[in-house]
Amino acid sequence: AQSVAQPEDQVNVAEGNPLTVKCTYSVSGNPYLFWYVQYPNRGLQFLLKYITGDNLVKGSYGFEAEFNKSQTSFHLKKPSALVSDSALYFCAVTHRGAGNNRKLIWGLGTSLAVNP
Amino acid sequence: GAGVSQTPSNKVTEKGKYVELRCDPISGHTALYWYRQSLGQGPEFLIYFQGTGAADDSGLPNDRFFAVRPEGSVSTLKIQRTERGDSAVYLCASSSQPGTSTDTQYFGPGTRLTVL
Repeated sequence: AQSVAQPEDQVNVAEGNPLTVKCTYSVSGNPYLFWYVQYPNRGLQFLLKYITGDNLVKGSYGFEAEFNKSQTSFHLKKPSALVSDSALYFCAVTHRGAGNNRKLIWGLGTSLAVNP
Repeated sequence: GAGVSQTPSNKVTEKGKYVELRCDPISGHTALYWYRQSLGQGPEFLIYFQGTGAADDSGLPNDRFFAVRPEGSVSTLKIQRTERGDSAVYLCASSSQPGTSTDTQYFGPGTRLTVL
């Protein structure tokens, strides 16, 4: 069964420092991996995805993620954190269900706090 | 519209009552998904529509939950005889390339359902 783990409930980083939010996955077959961000009282916003090709994926708001097949990881990174990056981050993997459904299987989320 | 919209944003109801939650997907998106997010959890898949038909309803928790999409656009999630355990944020997402590896789901802001 497909699953995603986000080992850290919370990550704290100082503004201007690099940030990493960790994600590991367990899938059968090729993984299609996603990162979404959730701000308070707002919906999930798509950041980036890995389908195939280059292991370093660039996304919105200066975020990037590195796919590592041997470590089954897809960590989210940003070179210089902003206070406005403080939010809840979710890693997800697609699972092929009935009727061509590619539902997302989600981690529990990691709360990122960027301190001024 | 520019994005996925959901109404109402908040719904408070009493145990045993019936509720309807509405989702208006991005114009032209043929695929529509409903997820449920409980506090401190990642979203959990409920149902997937391709066009007007429910192609995968394997995530609906029981027969009190039902969803429709009669014209292939707006969808309504219906919950009968609500229970306190139904309290959660109900998220809707739509996508334009369902079943493909490049498909990306875009989410609405959610409806927060509280059952007293």
